[in-house]
Amino acid sequence: DVKVTQSSRYLVKRTGEKVFLECVQDMDHENMFWYRQDPGLGLRLIYFSYDVKMKEKGDIPEGYSVSREKKERFSLILESASTNQTSMYLCASGSPPNTEAFFGQGTRLTVV
Amino acid sequence: GENVEQHPSTLSVQEGDSAVIKCTYSDSASNYFPWYKQELGKGPQLIIDIRSNVGEKKDQRIAVTLNKTAKHFSLHITETQPEDSAVYFCAARDGGQGAQKLVFGQGTRLTINP
Repeated sequence: DVKVTQSSRYLVKRTGEKVFLECVQDMDHENMFWYRQDPGLGLRLIYFSYDVKMKEKGDIPEGYSVSREKKERFSLILESASTNQTSMYLCASGSPPNTEAFFGQGTRLTVV
Repeated sequence: GENVEQHPSTLSVQEGDSAVIKCTYSDSASNYFPWYKQELGKGPQLIIDIRSNVGEKKDQRIAVTLNKTAKHFSLHITETQPEDSAVYFCAARDGGQGAQKLVFGQGTRLTINP
């Protein structure tokens, strides 16, 4: 079975902190994604990566950055956390030509 | 870019009845339309998908239909069961270059009443 693992289920951080969300996949997928899930807004793409050290902005990249130093790991970084970044964060991976995206269990981040 | 609208936001049906969730998309170049189910405390999981060269696809109690002309697609669940209660998301694959950049709808919370 494909497994996408996010390092934390729940996180509470203070405003202004630098926050790292980690995601690891075990299926040698080329593509990895970070989505943000908010009620009534669905899943919105923050950043994605097609290869190691490669990244592209999604629809809502402001306030975030990413790092992909190894194929299996994709990190989302909140440079200076703010309360409006309180949300559920979902990591996903996939590999062409298969179009299915496999999701992790999510990290619920609260910024206080 | 692609925009996906999903309705309704909440849906409550009696066990055994059918449920229908509808989505519209904006980019005529989109060619892949998956549906994901998210159970409480879990990440979304693919349940069925359809490509633009097919009008309908069925897998046991679930089916998806696609109308390319009208740019809308729907999820149909028949003989609903309590385990169908979840949040459902439709998505469209961005028609541009690159693989799997999916644009999601807003989600539908489906509740099956016993």
